[in-house]
Amino acid sequence: SQQGEEDPQALSIQEGENATMNCSYKTSINNLQWYRQNSGRGLVHLILIRSNEREKHSGRLRVTLDTSKKSSSLLITASRAADTASYFCATAILRGSTLGRLYFGRGTQLTVWP
Amino acid sequence: DTEVTQTPKHLVMGMTNKKSLKCEQHMGHRAMYWYKQKAKKPPELMFVYSYEKLSINESVPSRFSPECPNSSLLNLHLHALQPEDSALYLCASSQGLKGGAGNTEAFFGQGTRLTVV
Repeated sequence: SQQGEEDPQALSIQEGENATMNCSYKTSINNLQWYRQNSGRGLVHLILIRSNEREKHSGRLRVTLDTSKKSSSLLITASRAADTASYFCATAILRGSTLGRLYFGRGTQLTVWP
Repeated sequence: DTEVTQTPKHLVMGMTNKKSLKCEQHMGHRAMYWYKQKAKKPPELMFVYSYEKLSINESVPSRFSPECPNSSLLNLHLHALQPEDSALYLCASSQGLKGGAGNTEAFFGQGTRLTVV
């Protein structure tokens, strides 16, 4: 399966600490995206990093991509209780026959305690 | 307007019922998706429409029937569902550039929580 695999599956930290989530995948990708999902609700797009990019920032978010290791990480700095959610990585595949597929990993459940 | 609107938010249906889920976006996106998500699991792709044509069907049972009446609307018709089909059904859209509907970010609706009894 192409699905990304997040690590850890669950992460519990205090407000103000940094949270790091990792994602690994199996085949060549066009881009990798991170999404956030509050319990039982829709997914919100956080950041997209293309296969020719190595690092990207957006506010308190920092994403890295290592295509040689087929892995990505999401760092949330100075976490807040409102960051509590599930975080998914999703890979978009390059091959023409799979246009439009976004494969989601199993997700990391982040809990930030006040 | 960067919203994807799904209706209804909740749906309870019997195994002999026929119902439809609706999804609408006005962002000019040309790729639209249906995903199914079970509790504590990632979303699983069901269907992709690209430029109003069904481009991907992930071997979904025929009791789920998608329809794309125009570039802004996406429906999912449900018939003779099973209790195991109970899940959160998510609609999404993306810009759908020629050469790769997955090349850009996807915008998701809030989902329809479906319960089959």
